[in-house]
Amino acid sequence: EAGVTQFPSHSVIEKGQTVTLRCDPISGHDNLYWYRRVMGKEIKFLLHFVKESKQDESGMPNNRFLAERTGGTYSTLKVQPAELEDSGVYFCASSQERGARETQYFGPGTRLLVL
Amino acid sequence: GDSVTQMEGPVTLSEEAFLTINCTYTATGYPSLFWYVQYPGEGLQLLLKATKADDKGSNKGFEATYRKETTSFHLEKGSVQVSDSAVYFCALKDTGNQFYFGTGTSLTVIP
Repeated sequence: EAGVTQFPSHSVIEKGQTVTLRCDPISGHDNLYWYRRVMGKEIKFLLHFVKESKQDESGMPNNRFLAERTGGTYSTLKVQPAELEDSGVYFCASSQERGARETQYFGPGTRLLVL
Repeated sequence: GDSVTQMEGPVTLSEEAFLTINCTYTATGYPSLFWYVQYPGEGLQLLLKATKADDKGSNKGFEATYRKETTSFHLEKGSVQVSDSAVYFCALKDTGNQFYFGTGTSLTVIP
């Protein structure tokens, strides 16, 4: 069974540019999450999809971030325009069920550097 | 709000040394507690978890006990190996099913 995959693995862009990150969850997982780890700090929740619907986007930092999950399969996270403080590692995770039995499976992350 | 505080790294140990990575939490209600590990170039993997007070999670020689009285979930291993070199994250899942992670502790084990 393939795990969670993310693309690209690294991205270096200039301030003001646009970047789109992609996450392919494990097949059949309805829950998809985005997290971010800014240099040396904790991993923070950004948002949660259930299928194609945004269940919780309370962690999204501002309106420069737009997440979509077309058809309830893969998800994209677009940053437009990117700022220096957006640099960090963006993780995606997916799970099959919520609640006490939930196990989230993480992708390898996308390392974003904004210059 | 809910939060997790874990020991800052980096930690460097010799092979076969004893490992402790401290983790304490702040939460309302009764969260579930987790340790995740990230090996170089890979995603976070669930290492172990505990869902209620006094539960002990264990996997691959690692252990952690959910201590409600001290709000702690310290990770321990009796004899580390070079292959244990990774970044370890303590996390809690609150009653609203939201995850909170610590800052991560980098462990390097030298032969």
